[in-house]
Amino acid sequence: GESVGLHLPTLSVQEGDNSIINCAYSNSASDYFIWYKQESGKGPQFIIDIRSNMDKRQGQRVTVLLNKTVKHLSLQIAATQPGDSAVYFCAETPGGKLIFGQGTELSVKP
Amino acid sequence: DAGVIQSPRHEVTEMGQEVTLRCKPISGHNSLFWYRQTMMRGLELLIYFNNNVPIDDSGMPEDRFSAKMPNASFSTLKIQPSEPRDSAVYFCASILIRVPGQVYNEQFFGPGTRLTVL
Repeated sequence: GESVGLHLPTLSVQEGDNSIINCAYSNSASDYFIWYKQESGKGPQFIIDIRSNMDKRQGQRVTVLLNKTVKHLSLQIAATQPGDSAVYFCAETPGGKLIFGQGTELSVKP
Repeated sequence: DAGVIQSPRHEVTEMGQEVTLRCKPISGHNSLFWYRQTMMRGLELLIYFNNNVPIDDSGMPEDRFSAKMPNASFSTLKIQPSEPRDSAVYFCASILIRVPGQVYNEQFFGPGTRLTVL
């Protein structure tokens, strides 16, 4: 079916290290992908997006990679900080709707 | 701008009671979305409005759920009667859509309403 497949794993990293969060999507028709960050008790917050005609996009400390061949998306966070601790969701957009994955919890150890 | 405003932040009610959740989108945004978040199902789109008109309500779970947007600055999500399985965090999000049919891009989410139905 149309779903984005995050299984809510937990990723624990040391402060200062790089983090990589992965996401598998299922719908070939999706042409736009977004990463959101959700801190405890708050709503999701936009981090970065990428269109299907790109395979990489960089923001401030974050990079999103898209591999359409295997329907895989990743979010890389450089020099992870305690403030990066949150649940991260990828979302795909088949037919103009946002469909969210289950999320990955990132825990940053000081 | 204060961002998307939702009220109440927390709601505890008993099964069978009517629940009304409220949302004030960001001023100038023309589209509003209601989502439900649970551990089991993650974030699910319930309904979205464009220029106060419901465009897609296919995510509304059943007739007990209804949503209205009487004007550009206010929307409600009502559950009547409520059931324990409706317990979740309900988010409202808004966005300015410039291109018809384009509903993605950066949606701005409110802080959510945590609903507990006993």
